[in-house]
Amino acid sequence: AQKITQTQPGMFVQEKEAVTLDCTYDTSDQSYGLFWYKQPSSGEMIFLIYQGSYDEQNATEGRYSLNFQKARKSANLVISASQLGDSAMYFCAMRAGGTGRRALTFGSGTRLQVQP
Amino acid sequence: GAGVSQSPSNKVTEKGKDVELRCDPISGHTALYWYRQSLGQGLEFLIYFQGNSAPDKSGLPSDRFSAERTGGSVSTLTIQRTQQEDSAVYLCASSLRGLAGGNTDTQYFGPGTRLTVL
Repeated sequence: AQKITQTQPGMFVQEKEAVTLDCTYDTSDQSYGLFWYKQPSSGEMIFLIYQGSYDEQNATEGRYSLNFQKARKSANLVISASQLGDSAMYFCAMRAGGTGRRALTFGSGTRLQVQP
Repeated sequence: GAGVSQSPSNKVTEKGKDVELRCDPISGHTALYWYRQSLGQGLEFLIYFQGNSAPDKSGLPSDRFSAERTGGSVSTLTIQRTQQEDSAVYLCASSLRGLAGGNTDTQYFGPGTRLTVL
């Protein structure tokens, strides 16, 4: 079974500063993918960034980067130069296994509030 | 291009009534997923469709829940005899390749349907 743990229910950050959102995962599979999604108050889940278990380099997408530490089973999201529009819920998710339904397992989420 | 669309955006119903929720995936995506997001349970997988294969229904919470996907495109999630615990946001997602895409196959979500059972 797969499990995602997000230990920060809420985070505050000042505008233009960087913030790290924590995510740890548990799986016995060697092949897996890790995803981060953003959910603003409008409710839609927006895909941000992906990291594969075999990727040697940390993924980056614009202001988002994923700090992947495989031995520690962590996949933290780093948002640089925070903007007011970054205020939202952030979910870490995983899909694992060579077979199966490919459904995502989600963490409980972190609510990020960016302050001016 | 157009993203995943869902309708209705909000649905209020009385306990015991049946409801149908609709999902229109991204054109060309072979895989379609339904998830439920509720306050106490977070995001839960419900059902998965992949092309013409039999759906994976392993996440459906009870036999009151069913779903179909017609013509490999639009999907309808039906909840019969709704209960108050069914109140949640129902999210639909689609991905390009599903099982064939490996773990890199990204799921794109719709805006959800907020269901309230009175």
